[in-house]
Amino acid sequence: EAGVTQSPRYAVLQEGQAVSFWCDPISGHDTLYWYQQPRDQGPQLLVYFRDEAVIDNSQLPSDRFSAVRPKGTNSTLKIQSAKQGDTATYLCASSPPGHSNERLFFGHGTKLSVL
Amino acid sequence: GDSVTQMQGQVTLSEDDFLFINCTYSTTWYPTLFWYVQYPGEGPQLLLKVTTANNKGISRGFEATYDKGTTSFHLQKASVQESDSAVYYCVLGDWYNQGKLIFGQGTKLSIKP
Repeated sequence: EAGVTQSPRYAVLQEGQAVSFWCDPISGHDTLYWYQQPRDQGPQLLVYFRDEAVIDNSQLPSDRFSAVRPKGTNSTLKIQSAKQGDTATYLCASSPPGHSNERLFFGHGTKLSVL
Repeated sequence: GDSVTQMQGQVTLSEDDFLFINCTYSTTWYPTLFWYVQYPGEGPQLLLKVTTANNKGISRGFEATYDKGTTSFHLQKASVQESDSAVYYCVLGDWYNQGKLIFGQGTKLSIKP
């Protein structure tokens, strides 16, 4: 069974540039999460979806970050105008129906450096 | 709000040593507690779930215990191996917001061969 796939693996930007991260969850998983993991810290939830609906985006900086999951499968997280403080690894995770936070499967992440 | 605190940022042991990592949590709801492990270059993966009913979880030689009185939970292993080198996170499941996990700061375990 294929795991959660993320691309790209790495991204390097100048401040003010835009970037998009892409995630393909495990087939059949209805819930998809985006976490931000600063260096040497634990992951922090940004947003999560059940199917195509946003369930919680309260931690997503809405002025510059956006996330979509239009068909309830793949998802894209976009940073409109990156800042140095956005430097982190962005992790996507998915979980199967009925399990909510019981078991999350994480991808390898996208490591973002903003210069 | 809900929170979890993991004080040990780094632990260095020799092979066959005993491992003990401690966390404390704060929540107004019923806690669901997990331990996740993260190897270099990978995302975190579930190691153990600690259920309040059993107060203990066991997996891959690791054992997790939970103390409701002190709102703390622990991860231990009797004899660590070099392959156990990784970052270990204690994690609190948000009972109200079922999709949310709250991660601790992580404990980096290094094993001297």
